[in-house]
Amino acid sequence: DTGVSQDPRHKITKRGQNVTFRCDPISEHNRLYWYRQTLGQGPEFLTYFQNEAQLEKSRLLSDRFSAERPKGSFSTLEIQRTEQGDSAMYLCASSRGLAPPAQYFGPGTRLLVL
Amino acid sequence: SQQGEEDPQALSIQEGENATMNCSYKTSINNLQWYRQNSGRGLVHLILIRSNEREKHSGRLRVTLDTSKKSSSLLITASRAADTASYFCATDELTGGGNKLTFGTGTQLKVEL
Repeated sequence: DTGVSQDPRHKITKRGQNVTFRCDPISEHNRLYWYRQTLGQGPEFLTYFQNEAQLEKSRLLSDRFSAERPKGSFSTLEIQRTEQGDSAMYLCASSRGLAPPAQYFGPGTRLLVL
Repeated sequence: SQQGEEDPQALSIQEGENATMNCSYKTSINNLQWYRQNSGRGLVHLILIRSNEREKHSGRLRVTLDTSKKSSSLLITASRAADTASYFCATDELTGGGNKLTFGTGTQLKVEL
């Protein structure tokens, strides 16, 4: 399967703990996006990378959130000092750097903060 | 923040019927895309319509775009039980960079046998 993969698929953590999620995009895609989706809502943009450069961050991305894409391939999203409000589905997507690009989404990581 | 509203929020139809869902958005756009999401899963890209297009077809899907009204509709013809899912419109804004998408609130479609 050469689609976007995310790991883990589910994560339960206690408030105050740090968590890290990984996303592996489709190999030839140079753009990578992170979104967050809460129950009953559409996904909300968090941040995106073109190759290894993080080019845009949403104001939703507080200083407890950090994302990296060190070699322009896989990406990690870390949440420090998790809060109950961080409970959501975290979705990763990738696309080619062509316009207009469709984004290909991974299955998501569902985070529950107790 | 969400780009706009989708209407209806939920739709229940019989297999074989057509399903129409509408999307409104707020800003000027490069293109509008529709995605499907099965329960608790990732999103699947269905169709993209550019801002200079008015209608587009793909299989059983028909999308229209009215930029003067900032609205779009998705028609699924001859629906099947497997079409049961949530459907989201997403806009790629002119002022945004990198084609980040702004999603609507979604329509939950249930197709019954």
